[in-house]
Parts: sequence; C-alpha cells; structure tokens
Amino acid sequence: EAEVAQSPRYKITEKSQAVAFWCDPISGHATLYWYRQILGQGPELLVQFQDESVVDDSQLPKDRFSAERLKGVDSTLKIQPAELGDSAMYLCASEQSAAYNEQFFGPGTRLTVL
Amino acid sequence: DAKTTQPPSMDCAEGRAANLPCNHSTISGNEYVYWYRQIHSQGPQYIIHGLKNNETNEMASLIITEDRKSSTLILPHATLRDTAVYYCIVRLKAAGNKLTFGGGTRVLVKP
Repeated sequence: EAEVAQSPRYKITEKSQAVAFWCDPISGHATLYWYRQILGQGPELLVQFQDESVVDDSQLPKDRFSAERLKGVDSTLKIQPAELGDSAMYLCASEQSAAYNEQFFGPGTRLTVL
Repeated sequence: DAKTTQPPSMDCAEGRAANLPCNHSTISGNEYVYWYRQIHSQGPQYIIHGLKNNETNEMASLIITEDRKSSTLILPHATLRDTAVYYCIVRLKAAGNKLTFGGGTRVLVKP
C-alpha cells in the first residue's frame, strides 16, 4: 500500500539553527498539507499546496518558516532560525484531487529544539 | 468548519464495544462527519466518514443522529491496538479542505 514518506523521523537542534523536513506524498496526490502538532494537542495546518502552488499559508509563521513544492511532487518545510517553541511533531499529509475520501498522513518528524 | 465536542478520555475493556460520542450542533447541511485516530507517535489515520446515514466499514461503524447534531463512533470489538486518540471532525467533502482537529478523545483499551 502506498504511503506518505517523511524524513528525518527525529531531529534535535539548538535554537537559532536551521532545520528542514522532507515529505514525499503518495504518487498522484495533487494536494499536500503540512501540519504541526504540539504535544497533547491536535494537529494544526501550517501550509497547503495544490500541485506546486500554495493555497493556504495563513497559519505559517513566515518570518521563520518556509515551504516549497517545486515540481508539485515532494515538499520541504524549513525553519530558520528555530526557537524553543517550535518543538513539536511535523506531519505531512496528501490527498487525491478527485473522489476525495481521506487524507493520508506520514509518520511525522519529531523536532526538539534545545 | 463546525466545531466538535468530545470527551477528553475514556476507558474500554478489551473485546467489548467502544462507543465514542461527538457533538457537532452547528454542523451545516453539506458538511460531513469524519473520524480519524492517532496511535502514539504515528500520524493520524482515517477511520470513516458519513453525511446522514449510518456507515460501516472494516474498522468501525458511524451512527449519526437524525438531526445530525451528534454522532457516535463504534469500535465493535476493541483490542489493545485500538488504544489511541480519536478525532471527530466536521468538514465539507471536497478535495483541498483542511482538517481542523480538536482535542479528541484519548481511548485506553484495558485487558
């Protein structure tokens, strides 16, 4: 069964450093989401792509976060500089454009900022 | 998207049915009820969704009240592997609509 891939699974960094997360959605899925999940809370959307275009980044802290999906396939989420409050799970999800039923989530990247 | 209300936690005995309630009193006519679950340290997993009729699949059953203001997810024979946080989400059924997660219900299945 096709899966959403994410790497790394775990990342420890010091504040003020730069970090990057990678997501490879299920083949053929045009829509890609990045969510952030703080411990004990539900995931919250950071950014949504339709193919290579951003359709919603209203909750993305643009002073330090950036996201791209250059060829409309895989995607990278970057934080620079990282802050202590960025410690969280970063989840990527993808879905088909048509006949929608579900979003498929990857295993996530657990970020710890020291 | 309409807001949902779920109990923060519940316990269930292994082998018994688990009934997870969800209130969504402000749901609009074209919004669906979705259920996802998240096992510890994994990404959320889709379980089931419905509009107004009861739905069943290999994982669970979804019962939606006639006025659509509440629903119940039923895990017919809970196993230890069903221990997870269960999220009830109301949203339009269309590609490109984000999922708005609440706090969910933390379900602990006990032997």
